[in-house]
Amino acid sequence: AQSVTQLGSHVSVSEGALVLLRCNYSSSVPPYLFWYVQYPNQGLQLLLKYTSAATLVKGINGFEAEFKKSETSFHLTKPSAHMSDAAEYFCAVVNQAGTALIFGKGTTLSVSS
Amino acid sequence: DTEVTQTPKHLVMGMTNKKSLKCEQHMGHRAMYWYKQKAKKPPELMFVYSYEKLSINESVPSRFSPECPNSSLLNLHLHALQPEDSALYLCASSQEGQRYGYTFGSGTRLTVV
Repeated sequence: AQSVTQLGSHVSVSEGALVLLRCNYSSSVPPYLFWYVQYPNQGLQLLLKYTSAATLVKGINGFEAEFKKSETSFHLTKPSAHMSDAAEYFCAVVNQAGTALIFGKGTTLSVSS
Repeated sequence: DTEVTQTPKHLVMGMTNKKSLKCEQHMGHRAMYWYKQKAKKPPELMFVYSYEKLSINESVPSRFSPECPNSSLLNLHLHALQPEDSALYLCASSQEGQRYGYTFGSGTRLTVV
């Protein structure tokens, strides 16, 4: 069955530092993978998605992720953190039946000045 | 229009009340979803509608009753809820085929007293 594991429930960085949020997937078929961001008391916003077209995926707000099949990873990065990046980040994969998204447990990103 | 609109944004209801949550999208998406999200947790799938027919019910208690009146609307009828049902209820929609990802609404914050 498809699943994702997010390593680290909480990541803290300084403003201007590199952001790295980790996600590993388990899938018996080529996966569709997504990163979503959730700001307090809001819904989820799609940051980027991997659908097998390209291994390096660029998203909104300067985020990008690289699909590495050999490592079963889809880590999210941003070269320089901004205070407005502080939020909850979820990695997600489409389930095996192709009928729904399955979310990781989430990573809280804190950005300090 | 690239949004999923949920109403109301906040709802407080007693355990004997009947209320409804509403969700609307005008993107032509043919799949719509209800998710439940407790604090500090990832969203959990409740129901999936595909082409206005219920395709997935994730063993949700019958006090939650979904309805899809047409391809743009999705309702969640609530009756005799328990305090533990207090959560953020998220509606989402997607194009046919899972590789596009979901568009989420901003959610309804439900409190059961």
